[in-house]
Amino acid sequence: GAVVSQHPSRVICKSGTSVKIECRSLDFQATTMFWYRQFPKKSLMLMATSNEGSKATYEQGVEKDKFLINHASLTLSTLTVTSAHPEDSSFYICSARELGDAYNSPLHFGNGTRLTVT
Amino acid sequence: SQQGEEDPQALSIQEGENATMNCSYKTSINNLQWYRQNSGRGLVHLILIRSNEREKHSGRLRVTLDTSKKSSSLLITASRAADTASYFCATALTGTASKLTFGTGTRLQVTL
Repeated sequence: GAVVSQHPSRVICKSGTSVKIECRSLDFQATTMFWYRQFPKKSLMLMATSNEGSKATYEQGVEKDKFLINHASLTLSTLTVTSAHPEDSSFYICSARELGDAYNSPLHFGNGTRLTVT
Repeated sequence: SQQGEEDPQALSIQEGENATMNCSYKTSINNLQWYRQNSGRGLVHLILIRSNEREKHSGRLRVTLDTSKKSSSLLITASRAADTASYFCATALTGTASKLTFGTGTRLQVTL
């Protein structure tokens, strides 16, 4: 149980275009999903917290107009990288937590999306 | 900023040996969690230890937590080649239960 599906797994796009990444919780509901970014051989940096039915909360230094997050339902959050540039190339990973005890429950991660902007 | 620092950054051992990874953090926590990441993949949750717990076991995994020293360790016993991965600690800070901050990670290589 507790499967998170992230799509696409890889995407290559041209500079200036926008890319949408989907994150779905397949067998549980998630009012909150998290979007992380990971550089090669580095740790995960939290970009934003996606809240179902309300605006996302962005971490300091993350441009909300650049990284648009929509959490339209209890099972789907999307991250859109707008007007992508080569420096946006990275590994993006979403995660979700099942409804319930937020203090003592783990995150379930998608398999990530490798974005390459040419 | 990074909440957790892990040590060592990289560890290479032979199959059958034990692997120990350490994590230090800076502020008060609700719980500390360990995750594993295979190359190019998402993270898999391994174990969660609450701030009022000192030790926890799960199969070949043993986690300790010392809140006075703000540190945790992950021990993998009788390692296997399939344990090769990066291991991250993550902390849920007091008052921010839903948000996890990840450490820098330890890259473990288990050779035959």
